[in-house]
Amino acid sequence: GAGVSQSPSNKVTEKGKDVELRCDPISGHTALYWYRQRLGQGLEFLIYFQGNSAPDKSGLPSDRFSAERTGESVSTLTIQRTQQEDSAVYLCASSSYLTSERGYTFGSGTRLTVV
Amino acid sequence: DAKTTQPTSMDCAEGRAANLPCNHSTISGNEYVYWYRQIHSQGPQYIIHGLKNNETNEMASLIITEDRKSSTLILPHATLRDTAVYYCIVLTSGTYKYIFGTGTRLKVLA
Repeated sequence: GAGVSQSPSNKVTEKGKDVELRCDPISGHTALYWYRQRLGQGLEFLIYFQGNSAPDKSGLPSDRFSAERTGESVSTLTIQRTQQEDSAVYLCASSSYLTSERGYTFGSGTRLTVV
Repeated sequence: DAKTTQPTSMDCAEGRAANLPCNHSTISGNEYVYWYRQIHSQGPQYIIHGLKNNETNEMASLIITEDRKSSTLILPHATLRDTAVYYCIVLTSGTYKYIFGTGTRLKVLA
């Protein structure tokens, strides 16, 4: 597609429920990233996928968070047993290996509200 | 990755140049300076990056001091649509983990 697409754009969930957030990267982009942005703060790195290499999960805040990516396509970020502190905008970005030094393309994010 | 320091907020008159400073005094020789901006309710947008030399593209210019300890992003003719949070990030070549600070909130005034 023309850009990075994320769905849903907004999600309200009850504390304790599981949620799945989806990211469709730009076609042909081998690298995919997830970031979290709490209100009024900068972005926090969560996880990075590059092709068939093992993902860098060093930013995942707890074992309630997990992410998957099949090949070089869609990625899903799953948060289990959501807590109120999980409320944030979750941003996905992708880049081509050849142009990664020229910056990433971010999606518009999924705004998650845990009530 | 080196830490960056930016002013919390700045105002700029529409049509004038916006000069956004960034200090990165601990930058290493193989670390690039990247600039992104985030307009309200959108994901960050790449603007420009550089290593040593000044850079210019269709969006902005990046001026890096000779000692590389600071840089300035210049929007030559700011418009109301340039109102956003601007992030200065230092990134080691070949790595991918951006460390975002809180950036500079630029408000362009009519």
